[in-house]
Amino acid sequence: DIVMTQTPLSSPVTLGQPASISCRSSQSLIHSDGNTYLSWLQQRPSQPPRLLIYKISNRFSGVPDRFSGSGAGTDFTLKISRVEAEDVGVYYCMQATQFPYTFGQGTKLEIK
Amino acid sequence: EVQLVESGGGLVQPGGSLRLSCAASGFTFSSYAMSWVRQAPGKGLEWVSAVSRSGGTTYYADSVKGRFTISRDNSKNTLYLQVHSLRAEDTAVYYCAKVATGPWGQGTLVTVSS
Repeated sequence: DIVMTQTPLSSPVTLGQPASISCRSSQSLIHSDGNTYLSWLQQRPSQPPRLLIYKISNRFSGVPDRFSGSGAGTDFTLKISRVEAEDVGVYYCMQATQFPYTFGQGTKLEIK
Repeated sequence: EVQLVESGGGLVQPGGSLRLSCAASGFTFSSYAMSWVRQAPGKGLEWVSAVSRSGGTTYYADSVKGRFTISRDNSKNTLYLQVHSLRAEDTAVYYCAKVATGPWGQGTLVTVSS
């Protein structure tokens, strides 16, 4: 199974400042079809997961452009350019390149 | 608007069964593979099962293999998860998702308890 490792596991951030979360996979996430199926999800307290980014860097419909994804191969990053109060929650990376699909442990974003 | 709406969750005794449904709208359902993902209370996300566009190929997590069956009805734009031999550790919110490109549903809660 592909292991997804997120760092940090907790991230206290000042409002208006940037934040960054790293996700590393134990194997390359490049699929045989040429795509890299790496997604980022946000889960606000007591809410279902919300897809933010798919295929490394594509923002899902309605996601603010302060969220961006980057990376390649085995190393990926989610960046929030200016953190807002509504961004508090847990962020997960997920790979859907190889079965079983797997998730990172989650990174808790909180406001300082 | 692309949307996935799950239903069918509830309280069930250990060893019991349920059928979860996921109604899709706003996209060409038959063109995409679909998955079920679950989240136990206070825990992270766990992929459960996936099905190909036609329904002809299915995949399962080891934790549910032999007990859960995924299927789809493309004429009804609906995804299903038949769950049997339920255990306490199957208690979770179950989400359906078009994992590769979104969306994800809002989830349906399955509670296994006597």
